[in-house]
Amino acid sequence: QQPVQSPQAVILREGEDAVINCSSSKALYSVHWYRQKHGEAPIFLMILLKGGEQKGHDKISASFNEKKQQSSLYLTASQLSYSGTYFCGTEGNTGGFKTIFGAGTRLFVKA
Amino acid sequence: DAGVIQSPRHEVTEMGQEVTLRCKPISGHDYLFWYRQTMMRGLELLIYFNNNVPIDDSGMPEDRFSAKMPNASFSTLKIQPSEPRDSAVYFCASRRGAKNIQYFGAGTRLSVL
Repeated sequence: QQPVQSPQAVILREGEDAVINCSSSKALYSVHWYRQKHGEAPIFLMILLKGGEQKGHDKISASFNEKKQQSSLYLTASQLSYSGTYFCGTEGNTGGFKTIFGAGTRLFVKA
Repeated sequence: DAGVIQSPRHEVTEMGQEVTLRCKPISGHDYLFWYRQTMMRGLELLIYFNNNVPIDDSGMPEDRFSAKMPNASFSTLKIQPSEPRDSAVYFCASRRGAKNIQYFGAGTRLSVL
């Protein structure tokens, strides 16, 4: 089942912060975050694993609430280069090791 | 490493024709995924392989779609016959092990006229 992302779109000024949320109706083992710029492939940002292990990006942080089956991506002091569409991908405890992606959050940072 | 390599980058074909998309995963990666991306449906998982074996093809839209992975360094996604509603960007991704980072190829933009 596809995770739900919110908001659908965000417009920021350079230097402002943003939070993107991702929630699932299924028990999760891991949450992945990717960013995609127009016409390009999704690029890995962050992976959060059950049990607290986190691998990620030095300018962006994220949290994973296993009990609530939710994750949030925190973009602080946004830069113009942060513009793009952010996807969360979730892996459940059952059904194989496949990643199901949300519909995406479009982020636009203006000067 | 060269990353995940997909070919062709663009494909324009007429309805009814056969289309074959190709993917070379990163060396040493044992999982390979095929995705389709459209504005309406987002990024959909079509099928994935583990050690060249198809594990889950529940996302394949219909019998017109088929995928193979004859060896660890090559996979194909075939559409026969193609229809205009198949127009989309098709991505291939690979990763090493379960619960790990996926690396996406540049994608193939397919237009079926």
